[in-house]
Amino acid sequence: GESVGLHLPTLSVQEGDNSIINCAYSNSASDYFIWYKQESGKGPQFIIDIRSNMDKRQGQRVTVLLNKTVKHLSLQIAATQPGDSAVYFCAENPYTGGFKTIFGAGTRLFVKA
Amino acid sequence: DVKVTQSSRYLVKRTGEKVFLECVQDMDHENMFWYRQDPGLGLRLIYFSYDVKMKEKGDIPEGYSVSREKKERFSLILESASTNQTSMYLCASSFGRAGYEQYFGPGTRLTVT
Repeated sequence: GESVGLHLPTLSVQEGDNSIINCAYSNSASDYFIWYKQESGKGPQFIIDIRSNMDKRQGQRVTVLLNKTVKHLSLQIAATQPGDSAVYFCAENPYTGGFKTIFGAGTRLFVKA
Repeated sequence: DVKVTQSSRYLVKRTGEKVFLECVQDMDHENMFWYRQDPGLGLRLIYFSYDVKMKEKGDIPEGYSVSREKKERFSLILESASTNQTSMYLCASSFGRAGYEQYFGPGTRLTVT
Protein backbone atom coordinates (compact mmCIF):
# COMPACT_ATOMS: atom_id res chain seq x y z
CA GLY A 1 0.00 0.00 0.00
CA GLU A 2 1.12 3.56 -0.55
CA SER A 3 0.63 6.64 1.50
CA VAL A 4 -2.29 8.67 0.30
CA GLY A 5 -1.37 11.83 2.14
CA LEU A 6 -2.78 13.57 5.18
CA HIS A 7 -6.35 12.30 5.08
CA LEU A 8 -7.31 8.69 5.51
CA PRO A 9 -9.75 7.28 2.99
CA THR A 10 -13.00 6.55 4.75
CA LEU A 11 -15.76 4.07 4.19
CA SER A 12 -19.15 4.41 5.81
CA VAL A 13 -21.51 1.42 5.83
CA GLN A 14 -24.81 0.53 7.40
CA GLU A 15 -24.79 -2.07 10.14
CA GLY A 16 -25.53 -5.46 8.62
CA ASP A 17 -24.21 -4.57 5.16
CA ASN A 18 -21.04 -6.01 3.68
CA SER A 19 -17.89 -3.86 3.62
CA ILE A 20 -15.14 -3.94 1.03
CA ILE A 21 -11.85 -2.21 1.75
CA ASN A 22 -9.36 -1.94 -1.06
CA CYS A 23 -5.61 -1.62 -1.15
CA ALA A 24 -3.07 -1.21 -3.94
CA TYR A 25 0.28 -2.67 -3.02
CA SER A 26 3.56 -1.46 -4.37
CA ASN A 27 6.00 -4.32 -4.80
CA SER A 28 5.42 -7.05 -7.36
CA ALA A 29 7.97 -9.18 -5.45
CA SER A 30 5.78 -9.22 -2.34
CA ASP A 31 4.71 -12.72 -1.46
CA TYR A 32 2.88 -12.29 1.81
CA PHE A 33 0.05 -9.90 2.62
CA ILE A 34 -1.68 -9.08 5.87
CA TRP A 35 -4.69 -7.07 6.97
CA TYR A 36 -4.59 -5.35 10.34
CA LYS A 37 -7.35 -3.65 12.30
CA GLN A 38 -6.59 -0.75 14.62
CA GLU A 39 -9.22 0.42 17.07
CA SER A 40 -8.97 3.81 18.69
CA GLY A 41 -6.26 3.90 21.35
CA LYS A 42 -4.93 0.44 20.55
CA GLY A 43 -2.16 -1.11 18.52
CA PRO A 44 -2.91 -2.80 15.17
CA GLN A 45 -4.28 -6.30 15.45
CA PHE A 46 -3.87 -9.10 12.91
CA ILE A 47 -7.07 -10.03 11.05
CA ILE A 48 -6.13 -12.29 8.16
CA ASP A 49 -3.25 -13.02 5.83
CA ILE A 50 -2.71 -14.48 2.39
CA ARG A 51 0.31 -15.75 0.51
CA SER A 52 0.99 -15.02 -3.12
CA ASN A 53 0.21 -18.57 -4.24
CA MET A 54 -3.44 -18.00 -3.31
CA ASP A 55 -6.04 -15.58 -4.63
CA LYS A 56 -8.64 -15.93 -1.88
CA ARG A 57 -8.70 -16.78 1.79
CA GLN A 58 -11.61 -16.82 4.18
CA GLY A 59 -11.78 -16.30 7.89
CA GLN A 60 -14.61 -15.70 10.27
CA ARG A 61 -16.77 -13.02 8.54
CA VAL A 62 -13.73 -11.81 6.61
CA THR A 63 -12.38 -12.67 3.18
CA VAL A 64 -9.19 -11.44 1.57
CA LEU A 65 -8.82 -11.35 -2.19
CA LEU A 66 -5.51 -10.98 -3.97
CA ASN A 67 -5.11 -9.92 -7.59
CA LYS A 68 -1.43 -10.09 -8.44
CA THR A 69 -1.98 -8.96 -12.02
CA VAL A 70 -3.02 -5.49 -10.92
CA LYS A 71 -1.33 -5.59 -7.49
CA HIS A 72 -4.59 -5.24 -5.63
CA LEU A 73 -5.73 -6.55 -2.29
CA SER A 74 -9.19 -6.33 -0.79
CA LEU A 75 -10.77 -7.13 2.55
CA GLN A 76 -14.42 -8.07 2.65
CA ILE A 77 -16.29 -7.98 5.95
CA ALA A 78 -19.65 -9.72 5.98
CA ALA A 79 -22.58 -8.38 8.03
CA THR A 80 -20.61 -5.42 9.34
CA GLN A 81 -21.10 -4.68 13.02
CA PRO A 82 -20.47 -1.53 15.11
CA GLY A 83 -17.45 -3.27 16.62
CA ASP A 84 -15.88 -3.34 13.17
CA SER A 85 -15.45 0.44 13.23
CA ALA A 86 -11.69 0.97 13.08
CA VAL A 87 -8.81 1.81 10.77
CA TYR A 88 -7.81 -1.06 8.52
CA PHE A 89 -4.27 -1.40 7.17
CA CYS A 90 -3.03 -3.63 4.43
CA ALA A 91 0.60 -4.68 4.63
CA GLU A 92 2.94 -6.41 2.23
CA ASN A 93 6.04 -8.39 2.95
CA PRO A 94 8.47 -8.76 0.07
CA TYR A 95 10.35 -12.01 0.48
CA THR A 96 13.52 -10.35 -0.64
CA GLY A 97 12.91 -7.58 1.89
CA GLY A 98 13.57 -9.88 4.80
CA PHE A 99 12.00 -8.49 7.92
CA LYS A 100 10.59 -5.24 6.64
CA THR A 101 6.85 -5.01 6.22
CA ILE A 102 5.39 -2.18 4.15
CA PHE A 103 2.18 -0.76 5.60
CA GLY A 104 -0.46 1.13 3.71
CA ALA A 105 -1.82 4.40 5.08
CA GLY A 106 -5.07 2.78 6.17
CA THR A 107 -8.79 3.14 5.58
CA ARG A 108 -11.18 4.29 8.30
CA LEU A 109 -14.39 2.26 8.47
CA PHE A 110 -17.47 3.83 10.06
CA VAL A 111 -20.42 1.58 10.81
CA LYS A 112 -23.77 3.34 11.10
CA ALA A 113 -26.30 1.78 13.43
CA ASP B 1 -1.98 -15.41 23.34
CA VAL B 2 0.98 -13.29 22.35
CA LYS B 3 1.49 -10.40 24.65
CA VAL B 4 3.49 -7.35 23.72
CA THR B 5 3.62 -4.79 26.47
CA GLN B 6 4.97 -1.27 26.47
CA SER B 7 6.18 0.47 29.60
CA SER B 8 3.93 3.52 29.36
CA ARG B 9 0.68 4.42 27.62
CA TYR B 10 1.24 8.16 27.92
CA LEU B 11 4.45 10.07 28.44
CA VAL B 12 5.21 13.79 28.59
CA LYS B 13 8.83 14.91 28.34
CA ARG B 14 10.67 18.17 27.89
CA THR B 15 12.79 19.11 24.91
CA GLY B 16 16.35 17.85 25.33
CA GLU B 17 15.49 15.07 27.77
CA LYS B 18 16.68 11.51 27.16
CA VAL B 19 13.67 9.24 26.80
CA PHE B 20 13.48 5.47 27.17
CA LEU B 21 10.58 3.44 25.78
CA GLU B 22 10.53 -0.19 26.80
CA CYS B 23 8.87 -3.11 25.05
CA VAL B 24 8.57 -6.70 26.24
CA GLN B 25 7.15 -9.72 24.40
CA ASP B 26 6.42 -13.09 25.92
CA MET B 27 6.34 -15.40 22.90
CA ASP B 28 10.05 -15.95 22.31
CA HIS B 29 9.87 -14.08 19.00
CA GLU B 30 13.13 -13.46 17.20
CA ASN B 31 12.15 -10.17 15.63
CA MET B 32 11.16 -6.92 17.29
CA PHE B 33 10.27 -3.58 15.76
CA TRP B 34 9.73 0.05 16.70
CA TYR B 35 7.38 2.20 14.63
CA ARG B 36 6.02 5.65 14.96
CA GLN B 37 2.53 6.45 13.81
CA ASP B 38 1.45 9.93 12.77
CA PRO B 39 -1.91 10.99 11.30
CA GLY B 40 -2.03 10.36 7.57
CA LEU B 41 1.50 8.94 7.45
CA GLY B 42 0.75 5.41 8.54
CA LEU B 43 3.33 3.31 10.33
CA ARG B 44 6.97 4.21 9.75
CA LEU B 45 9.71 1.85 10.81
CA ILE B 46 12.36 3.35 13.09
CA TYR B 47 14.50 0.32 13.95
CA PHE B 48 14.17 -3.41 14.06
CA SER B 49 16.10 -6.28 15.57
CA TYR B 50 16.20 -9.89 14.40
CA ASP B 51 18.30 -11.24 17.25
CA VAL B 52 19.74 -10.28 20.59
CA LYS B 53 22.26 -7.46 20.26
CA MET B 54 21.45 -7.13 16.55
CA LYS B 55 19.75 -4.05 15.14
CA GLU B 56 18.96 -2.60 11.75
CA LYS B 57 17.91 0.90 10.80
CA GLY B 58 14.46 1.35 9.44
CA ASP B 59 13.17 4.23 7.37
CA ILE B 60 13.46 7.02 9.96
CA PRO B 61 16.26 6.21 12.46
CA GLU B 62 17.56 9.75 12.91
CA GLY B 63 17.32 10.94 16.51
CA TYR B 64 16.71 7.43 17.84
CA SER B 65 18.75 4.49 19.05
CA VAL B 66 17.77 1.02 20.27
CA SER B 67 19.00 -1.65 22.59
CA ARG B 68 18.28 -5.37 22.69
CA GLU B 69 20.20 -7.08 25.46
CA LYS B 70 17.64 -9.83 26.01
CA LYS B 71 15.46 -11.62 23.50
CA GLU B 72 12.20 -10.50 25.08
CA ARG B 73 13.05 -6.83 25.50
CA PHE B 74 13.60 -4.08 22.94
CA SER B 75 14.19 -0.51 24.03
CA LEU B 76 13.85 2.68 22.01
CA ILE B 77 15.93 5.63 23.12
CA LEU B 78 15.43 9.24 22.17
CA GLU B 79 18.84 10.72 22.86
CA SER B 80 17.62 14.32 23.06
CA ALA B 81 13.89 14.61 22.66
CA SER B 82 12.55 17.23 20.28
CA THR B 83 9.02 18.46 19.64
CA ASN B 84 8.93 16.77 16.22
CA GLN B 85 9.24 13.45 18.02
CA THR B 86 5.80 13.90 19.54
CA SER B 87 4.00 10.85 18.21
CA MET B 88 2.46 7.46 18.92
CA TYR B 89 5.18 4.81 19.26
CA LEU B 90 4.31 1.20 18.56
CA CYS B 91 6.38 -1.84 19.34
CA ALA B 92 5.84 -5.14 17.54
CA SER B 93 7.31 -8.63 17.46
CA SER B 94 7.21 -11.50 14.99
CA PHE B 95 8.40 -15.03 14.55
CA GLY B 96 11.08 -16.28 12.20
CA ARG B 97 11.95 -14.72 8.89
CA ALA B 98 9.67 -12.85 6.54
CA GLY B 99 6.23 -14.27 6.11
CA TYR B 100 4.67 -13.99 9.53
CA GLU B 101 2.38 -11.41 11.03
CA GLN B 102 3.55 -8.89 13.57
CA TYR B 103 2.03 -8.60 17.03
CA PHE B 104 1.72 -5.06 18.31
CA GLY B 105 1.76 -3.52 21.73
CA PRO B 106 -0.84 -0.93 22.78
CA GLY B 107 1.40 2.01 21.94
CA THR B 108 2.97 4.86 23.87
CA ARG B 109 1.72 8.35 23.14
CA LEU B 110 4.72 10.61 23.68
CA THR B 111 4.38 14.37 23.93
CA VAL B 112 7.53 16.48 23.92
CA THR B 113 7.02 20.04 25.14
